[in-house]
This record gives sequence, structure tokens and C-alpha cells, in this order.
Amino acid sequence: GAVVSQHPSRVICKSGTSVKIECRSLDFQATTMFWYRQFPKKSLMLMATSNEGSKATYEQGVEKDKFLINHASLTLSTLTVTSAHPEDSSFYICSAKTLFNGDEQFFGPGTRLTVL
Amino acid sequence: KQEVTQIPAALSVPEGENLVLNCSFTDSAIYNLQWFRQDPGKGLTSLLLIQSSQREQTSGRLNASLDKSSGRSTLYIAASQPGDSATYLCAVRQAGTALIFGKGTTLSVSS
Repeated sequence: GAVVSQHPSRVICKSGTSVKIECRSLDFQATTMFWYRQFPKKSLMLMATSNEGSKATYEQGVEKDKFLINHASLTLSTLTVTSAHPEDSSFYICSAKTLFNGDEQFFGPGTRLTVL
Repeated sequence: KQEVTQIPAALSVPEGENLVLNCSFTDSAIYNLQWFRQDPGKGLTSLLLIQSSQREQTSGRLNASLDKSSGRSTLYIAASQPGDSATYLCAVRQAGTALIFGKGTTLSVSS
């Protein structure tokens, strides 16, 4: 149980385009989802916390107009990178939290974004 | 603000050795602590979750301890194998917040 999926797993886009990444909790309802990004050989940095049905809370330094987060249901959150630039190239990982099993966070497999 | 530090940043050992990875955190008021494994270019695999009220958790050859008052956790790997080679991440969560990660320890086990 407690499986989180992400789609796509890998995406390459041109500079200036927008990219949408989906995060789904497959076998549980996630009231809260988190989005992280990870640069090569670096740790995961929290970008935002997404609660179902409400606006996401962004960490300091993360542009909310550039990284649009929608959490429309208890099993789906989306991250849209708008007007992507090469510096947005990174590994994006989502995580979903359940109230069961000690309030543990479960992580998706990640999405590798490359902006040319 | 909570900060998580992992030492060493990298570690190379021969197969069969027992080893310890260290994690420290600045704010001891944590809700839980998790150890993860990450293979290159891949997502995270949860290894062990320790609640704040617990002292240790064990899974197979892995044992994680938690000393909340001193802000420390260790991950002990017994009889290391080449398949254990990966980056190991420590993360802590405070009530109502997301996991905060350390920078990881990259382990290389040679055969």
C-alpha cells in the first residue's frame, strides 16, 4: 500500500514552454501533498505544501506564479512549471501524507525536467 | 529553523564491513525521523521511520537509533554488500510540517 505515482517520469521541453507534472496517491487519500526539487548531488528542497481544496503554501524563495500547484482532489496534485527556463531543469519529487501509519510521508519516483 | 546535517558526505567500505551513518538536527522538537535510500537518478525508498517516542527501529540488516534530546540519529548497516551502494538521506518532521532533509551520505561498497 501507500503508493505514489508521478507522470511523466522524464520530460524535455523548450525554453518558454510550460510543463505539467502529475502526482497521484494510488491507494490512499492524501489530504496533504508536498513538492520538492533536487539539483544534482544536492538534497531535496521543499518547494510547497499543497492541501486538498485550498491554495498551496510556498517556501521562501519559490515563485508561486512560476510553479503553479493545484490539489483538486484527495488523490491528485499537479505542479505546472510556467515559462520554463534552463535553470528550472531539476528533479522534481512529490510526496503525499496520510494520517495512518504514523503520519508518514510517501514519495513518488520523481520527474526529471530538462529545459533546453 | 530546523537544519539537518549528515556526516560523512561520502563513505567507501569493502564488502562485509559494518558501518554507521550519522545524522544530526538542530531542533529536538521533532515528530518523527526517517531514513531513505536514493539510487542515482531515482526516487526515494523509505528504509526506517522512527517516531519521536521511539529509540530505535530495525529492518533486516539496518538499525536506526534516535536520541531526540541530543538531536542525533544513526543508521547502522551490518555486513555491507555492493547492493547497498546508494545515497542515504536522513529527514526529520516537526508537527504540521513537511520532512526536512539532510544532504545525504553517498555510500560505496566494493566487492
